[in-house]
Amino acid sequence: DAKTTQPPSMDCAEGRAANLPCNHSTISGNEYVYWYRQIHSQGPQYIIHGLKNNETNEMASLIITEDRKSSTLILPHATLRDTAVYYCIVRVIETNAGKSTFGDGTTLTVKP
Amino acid sequence: NAGVTQTPKFRVLKTGQSMTLLCAQDMNHEYMYWYRQDPGMGLRLIHYSVGEGTTAKGEVPDGYNVSRLKKQNFLLGLESAAPSQTSVYFCASRPDRVHEQFFGPGTRLTVL
Repeated sequence: DAKTTQPPSMDCAEGRAANLPCNHSTISGNEYVYWYRQIHSQGPQYIIHGLKNNETNEMASLIITEDRKSSTLILPHATLRDTAVYYCIVRVIETNAGKSTFGDGTTLTVKP
Repeated sequence: NAGVTQTPKFRVLKTGQSMTLLCAQDMNHEYMYWYRQDPGMGLRLIHYSVGEGTTAKGEVPDGYNVSRLKKQNFLLGLESAAPSQTSVYFCASRPDRVHEQFFGPGTRLTVL
């Protein structure tokens, strides 16, 4: 599984968009990009995933560069409840296992 | 539907003692995982299972054993606890061919 690089921390004003970058320059063609978040030491929560195309769901948008070497998670209107550690993970979801190695993530602090 | 549950929530052990952590899921998921999270760090995969009766090593398996005798349960055992195993342990599960992992609330273990 490819390694990822994320900034250790970021701040965002409440109501503004939060853009969280992730670098995965060694990603392979069959590896997906996943984002999870962990709020206050709870179990991680799945946010979104993508392979090549940009993706959007009710929580966030995922923008993947054309060369797939980096991606950005966008929370369109951040709220105080979005304060959490955000993990970018790159892995293959094989038919027999979808292992994950969570790095240290980005601590996002949403401020009033 | 309780999702993924973990027992116990907290435990304090003395060095050399043994214990078993229980993970249970009522979603009929094929895959189950055990992670550990040390303070200020991301999650690391200990062991995982791709189905009933199967187990495999993850990133940091030493000092742990696992069993998956029933599809809904995944047990993590510490035969002789060491202070280095002080951590928060998370269990997760996911269905076949689905990307999202569903996490439990965690077990906080302290080894003195």
